Order: sequence, then structure tokens, then C-alpha cells
Amino acid sequence: GQQVMQIPQYQHVQEGEDFTTYCNSSTTLSNIQWYKQRPGGHPVFLIQLVKSGEVKKQKRLTFQFGEAKKNSSLHITATQTTDVGTYFCAGQGDYKLSFGAGTTVTVRA
Amino acid sequence: DGGITQSPKYLFRKEGQNVTLSCEQNLNHDAMYWYRQDPGQGLRLIYYSQIVNDFQKGDIAEGYSVSREKKESFPLTVTSAQKNPTAFYLCASSKTTGAGGVQFFGPGTRLTVL
Repeated sequence: GQQVMQIPQYQHVQEGEDFTTYCNSSTTLSNIQWYKQRPGGHPVFLIQLVKSGEVKKQKRLTFQFGEAKKNSSLHITATQTTDVGTYFCAGQGDYKLSFGAGTTVTVRA
Repeated sequence: DGGITQSPKYLFRKEGQNVTLSCEQNLNHDAMYWYRQDPGQGLRLIYYSQIVNDFQKGDIAEGYSVSREKKESFPLTVTSAQKNPTAFYLCASSKTTGAGGVQFFGPGTRLTVL
């Protein structure tokens, strides 16, 4: 079945630095979605990528969808304390989303 | 306000008891989902429903049951057959299960079995 792998599992970042989290699927995806879960909260939708090679930006967050539609990345520039949380990618199959295990981000002030 | 509600937020049960978790949505979404979240393991799909009176098993359905008698409601029962029921349970809904089906999550229920 469809599997989505996400790395790294944990990311400890100095405030102001950049980092990237990566997502890889075992199968070609129709689209990929990214969610953020704050500590103690629930996942909240961030963005959806549909087209091969698509790049979307949300302020300091840049999302990419690979040319083969099997991988994606989230790059955060100038990390802030508000970026703390777990970022999940989710690959869309025929009837369900398959979530990666998430990248949990902590920030050192 | 439109959204998804789950109750209760925290739930404690004795081993061997069945327990039902509530999930209600007023977003007029056709599809609803139940996920289990354990530390470091992301979200694992338990059951999903694309339409009223129909539901399918997800990746970890054993020990769980659901019903979908109304569009707005998708309760999950954790039965005594579930070997490790202590977890954070998340309900979600989307307009469709197909491509473009962005999911909206409820606040979750943290179940502890003693």
C-alpha cells in the first residue's frame, strides 16, 4: 500500500536559522498536503500542492512538490518560536490521505 | 461557528470496558475519518466514511467499530478487544475523500485505559 516517509523525525533549530523537512512517497501522488500541529493541539491544514514541480510560499514557509510527484519538502527560513510544532505531510491516494510520521520542531531562543 | 467537535477532551476507562468517542461536524462534509496518534508515529487511520450508512476500515481497524447514521456524526467505539487503547484520538472531516479532500480536524480526545 501507499507509504509516506518523512525526515527528519526531530529538528532542533536555533532561532533565526533555516531548516528543511522532506517527504517521500512509495507511489505517485495526485496531490500532497501539509499540516501543522502545535504542542497539545490538533493538525491544521497549511497548504496543498497538485502540479508536478509546484512551488508555493506562505511568508517564511516554502513548499515544493517534486517533478515525479513522489516527494515534497517544506523549507522554513529565519525560524521563529512560533514555528514550534510538528509538521506532517500527507499524500493523497484514491480515497484517503496517508500521513507521514511528522517532523517535530523545537526552537532554541 | 462551523467546525468539528469531539467530546470529551479527556477520558479514563478501566481495562475491559468499551468506550465511545463522540465526533460531530457542521461543515456539511460528506467524508469523516478517525485517526489514532501515538508519540512519534504520526496519524494512523482507523476508519473512514465517504457517505452516510457506509464506512471502510483503515490501516488499524482491529478492536474498533464505527457507525454513520447521520451525516454530521461519526462515533468511534473502542472495544475491549483493542490491546493498547491508550492514545490520542482525532476525528476529521473533508468535503470529499478524493483528490483535493483537505481535512479539518477536531480537538481530539485523549483516552487513558487504566
